[in-house]
Amino acid sequence: NAGVTQTPKFQVLKTGQSMTLQCAQDMNHNSMYWYRQDPGMGLRLIYYSASEGTTDKGEVPNGYNVSRLNKREFSLRLESAAPSQTSVYFCASSENRRGGLMNTGELFFGEGSRLTVL
Amino acid sequence: AQSVAQPEDQVNVAEGNPLTVKCTYSVSGNPYLFWYVQYPNRGLQFLLKYITGDNLVKGSYGFEAEFNKSQTSFHLKKPSALVSDSALYFCAVRRNAGNNRKLIWGLGTSLAVNP
Repeated sequence: NAGVTQTPKFQVLKTGQSMTLQCAQDMNHNSMYWYRQDPGMGLRLIYYSASEGTTDKGEVPNGYNVSRLNKREFSLRLESAAPSQTSVYFCASSENRRGGLMNTGELFFGEGSRLTVL
Repeated sequence: AQSVAQPEDQVNVAEGNPLTVKCTYSVSGNPYLFWYVQYPNRGLQFLLKYITGDNLVKGSYGFEAEFNKSQTSFHLKKPSALVSDSALYFCAVRRNAGNNRKLIWGLGTSLAVNP
């Protein structure tokens, strides 16, 4: 099993450019999440999808949009990138009867996408 | 407000010695508690969790953690450290009832195990 796969692994953007981070999981999980990791700030939830067809804002949703394309895929889009969005982005998934923020199960993380906005 | 504290940015231990990575939390009601590990340039991996029941929880790679309700702590331990345990460790907590059940993450503790 590949688990959670994120693409691209690295990306450099100029301010104002747009891009989409792709995430796919092959574990048939219901819930998927996008986090960003910044030094000294831990992990912060951007958006999550408790189940196919639903998405909700996390702690830091501004400047981002998401799409739960199907059960496997959950993409994160930056419409107009800003230097403050320079970060490492992680996609995660979980299987739980009560998904999303009700989840008590473990999260499975992708390897991360390092984004630099100049 | 809910919070998680990992009071040590870095922990250094010699290989073969016991290790402890500390975590304290503040959450109303009963918590769910988690430990994750992050190796360099990798995603986080689940180690163990406390949901209910026995206060001593055993997890992956020989790690264990003890839930202490009176001290609001969930310290990660291992009896004998390996160099390969060197990584970044995250504690996370959330409420198990009521509103605002988002997962709150600690800032991480860097563990260095010296040969």
